[in-house]
Amino acid sequence: RKEVEQDPGPFNVPEGATVAFNCTYSNSASQSFFWYRQDCRKEPKLLMSVYSSGNEDGRFTAQLNRASQYISLLIRDSKLSDSATFLCVVNIRDKIIFGKGTRLHILP
Amino acid sequence: DAGITQSPRHKVTETGTPVTLRCHQTENHRYMYWYRQDPGHGLRLIHYSYGVKDTDKGEVSDGYSVSRSKTEDFLLTLESATSSQTSVYFCAISERQVSPGANVLTFGAGSRLTVL
Repeated sequence: RKEVEQDPGPFNVPEGATVAFNCTYSNSASQSFFWYRQDCRKEPKLLMSVYSSGNEDGRFTAQLNRASQYISLLIRDSKLSDSATFLCVVNIRDKIIFGKGTRLHILP
Repeated sequence: DAGITQSPRHKVTETGTPVTLRCHQTENHRYMYWYRQDPGHGLRLIHYSYGVKDTDKGEVSDGYSVSRSKTEDFLLTLESATSSQTSVYFCAISERQVSPGANVLTFGAGSRLTVL
């Protein structure tokens, strides 16, 4: 089983809609969790950290479920500029493991 | 943005030749990483460093070596390049955050390597 798994998509979503992605991880010793965003042919950039209590940053909400070993990302009121690949990231000690990413296309 | 640069940004080489990619940072961060990114595989960790002369293998380390003789430089070497090593290589840096294990990464712009 892959250490970090995501639905590759693409998710084609109309502008203004709400969209959610999940990511599962296999190692129960995973310590911290993140969502990164990657635009086409660019480097990944941190979108947000994921805390046990859940956290929100504007239109973005991240949740962590340790019992079921998954994290989620919710995007509300989606914008055209949200079109990107979203990478789920898990930190296990000094190693940082990336999922393959979920592609999101926001449709005008 | 954090000061992290990769060189070269683009390189075309032939099978069997040695190749070295350089990652340079001006942030004095302790941790440095090399990833490769390929369609269908996402980002995969090659090697990482947790200090000068301290390195460890990632999930796809075969065929690659690294060196870190100074805090600011992390070199990735392909001793004898193969076509399967054609990829985009990303360097990243981090400084451990307050929570144990919470390493937030900042990436360089990437190095696109083509092995013919």
